[in-house]
Amino acid sequence: GNSVTQMEGPVTLSEEAFLTINCTYTATGYPSLFWYVQYPGEGLQLLLKATKADDKGSNKGFEATYRKETTSFHLEKGSVQVSDSAVYFCALILIKAAGNKLTFGGGTRVLVKP
Amino acid sequence: DGGITQSPKYLFRKEGQNVTLSCEQNLNHDAMYWYRQDPGQGLRLIYYSQIVNDFQKGDIAEGYSVSREKKESFPLTVTSAQKNPTAFYLCASSIRLNTGELFFGEGSRLTVL
Repeated sequence: GNSVTQMEGPVTLSEEAFLTINCTYTATGYPSLFWYVQYPGEGLQLLLKATKADDKGSNKGFEATYRKETTSFHLEKGSVQVSDSAVYFCALILIKAAGNKLTFGGGTRVLVKP
Repeated sequence: DGGITQSPKYLFRKEGQNVTLSCEQNLNHDAMYWYRQDPGQGLRLIYYSQIVNDFQKGDIAEGYSVSREKKESFPLTVTSAQKNPTAFYLCASSIRLNTGELFFGEGSRLTVL
């Protein structure tokens, strides 16, 4: 089956620090990959996506590159702000498989301190 | 503005009572979903619907029921058969089923007293 593994949190950083959240996956085909963000007390929002190998998704200063050879989609941001404190979810879907739905990782909580 | 509205935001229930969580979307999306989120855990799919009058069980459907009588609405009932119903419930929609781009509501937090 398909699965997504994320690094366990919480990840605690100081403002302006570099953030990396690791995400690896297993899939029975070539998935599309996503990062979602959940701010405190809210639902999830799509942060970025990549649909094929070597694609780089980017949004709000965050980036992630689809690495087929290492089955990874690590999320990075060069200089975090307090407002980036949230839970981040990595997810995949096999688009070409009929009726397929998103598979989520367990989420990584990030806390940015001033 | 288009979006997904969940209500109520907070709900308290006594053991043995059924409760219904509302989810309405005005995005004209065909697919809708219900997820359960427990503290420190990821999202688990309860039910999903691809089209009006059709829905399918997800990974943890036991103790829950849904209906999809209108495209815009996908209410979730948490029945007394659900053994551990205290959780954060998230509704989502997408333009079609086979996509990773979901739009989420703000969630409903259910607490069983």
